[in-house]
Amino acid sequence: EPEVTQTPSHQVTQMGQEVILRCVPISNHLYFYWYRQILGQKVEFLVSFYNNEISEKSEIFDDQFSVERPDGSNFTLKIRSTKLEDSAMYFCASTLLAGRSYEQYFGPGTRLTVT
Amino acid sequence: QKEVEQNSGPLSVPEGAIASLNCTYSDRGSQSFFWYRQYSGKSPELIMSIYSNGDKEDGRFTAQLNKASQYVSLLIRDSQPSDSATYLCAVSDSNYQLIWGAGTKLIIKP
Repeated sequence: EPEVTQTPSHQVTQMGQEVILRCVPISNHLYFYWYRQILGQKVEFLVSFYNNEISEKSEIFDDQFSVERPDGSNFTLKIRSTKLEDSAMYFCASTLLAGRSYEQYFGPGTRLTVT
Repeated sequence: QKEVEQNSGPLSVPEGAIASLNCTYSDRGSQSFFWYRQYSGKSPELIMSIYSNGDKEDGRFTAQLNKASQYVSLLIRDSQPSDSATYLCAVSDSNYQLIWGAGTKLIIKP
């Protein structure tokens, strides 16, 4: 069964460094998402991406963040100048969004630790 | 502010019993409703989606939707220890963005 994949599974970085989190969505899906979940807290929406551009973004998704679909398969989240409070699990999700299928399928996540 | 509310629990249920999880949402225009299961340290896993009023059954799981009351529930029949997890309710707004509840922690006692 097709699944969303994410790399790396765990990323440790120093405060102020840039990180790139990578995702490969399910191949025929059209909408892609990034979410984060700080330990013990709610899943939080960051950004959605459709047709090679940002569709929606939350107030969390400020100038520190960017997304890109550099080729036909990868979907990346870049965090510039990381802060301690960026430490969280980052999840990529994708959906077909055709007909009534709005179901989002999640990747396994990347645990980001900023020291 | 669009909100999704869930009782944080923990909800403790004996093995073999029915677990009932509830969720309310504030946006009356919401059209799509989802239940995800999340084991500790893992990603959310979709277990049920429901779009119309009424019940939807899938194996041991039944989702119930009442749009007039802005209420979604998940029933788990014949609960197993492997069902112990946090159950997240998510509601899709008109932009297909998911609004998440904080989750209910379910513990199935053998």
